[in-house]
Amino acid sequence: EVQLSESGGGLVQPGESLTLSCVGSGFIFSHYAMSWVRQAPGKGLEWVSGISGGRIKTYYADSVRGRFTISRDISKKTLYLQMDGLRADDTAVYYCARFSQDKWQINFDSWGQGTLVTVSS
Amino acid sequence: EVVMTQSPATLSVSPGERVTLSCGASESLGTDLAWYQQKPGQAPRLLIYGASTRASGIPARFSGSGSGTEFTLTISSLQSEDFAVYYCQQYSYWPPYTFGQGTKLEIK
Repeated sequence: EVQLSESGGGLVQPGESLTLSCVGSGFIFSHYAMSWVRQAPGKGLEWVSGISGGRIKTYYADSVRGRFTISRDISKKTLYLQMDGLRADDTAVYYCARFSQDKWQINFDSWGQGTLVTVSS
Repeated sequence: EVVMTQSPATLSVSPGERVTLSCGASESLGTDLAWYQQKPGQAPRLLIYGASTRASGIPARFSGSGSGTEFTLTISSLQSEDFAVYYCQQYSYWPPYTFGQGTKLEIK
């Protein structure tokens, strides 16, 4: 069974940094592209960033480019999201999501339970 | 950026009814469209991909159709566990991957 488990969320002040982690199990981690998707309180889903299975390619939403960095450690089966310069509008539940293959023109097929990031002074 | 528009925003329906949710795209997607279900406090769950293919374990009462810019998700006979928010998502033009704003199914 595919499982994704996020951690690392919390309350931070504007301008601070936070790193989210997502551990994958039940599948060959390097065979799938992965992504982060967030959901602000009471709002819809917003794609944040994606990384290929081989870690070669990364993509970012305009709203986070230059502030967030996605990475993965294949040996640890872990996906990361380094978030710097956090703003109030980054407050959201952050989900890691697996692409159904190691390609980009494809849907997400599995999601973690999410981790809440709150940016507030 | 491809804009995804879902209608209606909220739909009040009774168990057992047939319901159709709509999703429109600002660009032609072919069939690069997925539908997700999200219940309160839970992560989204994949229902449909490729516009019409049910994901593993999804009941046959869920069906998707459409291509290009117009898509629909139909639930043939609503069960109590189907009351949730439904999102469509395009993966034809990326980045970014974009979602509709969601349709909430509530009990009439």
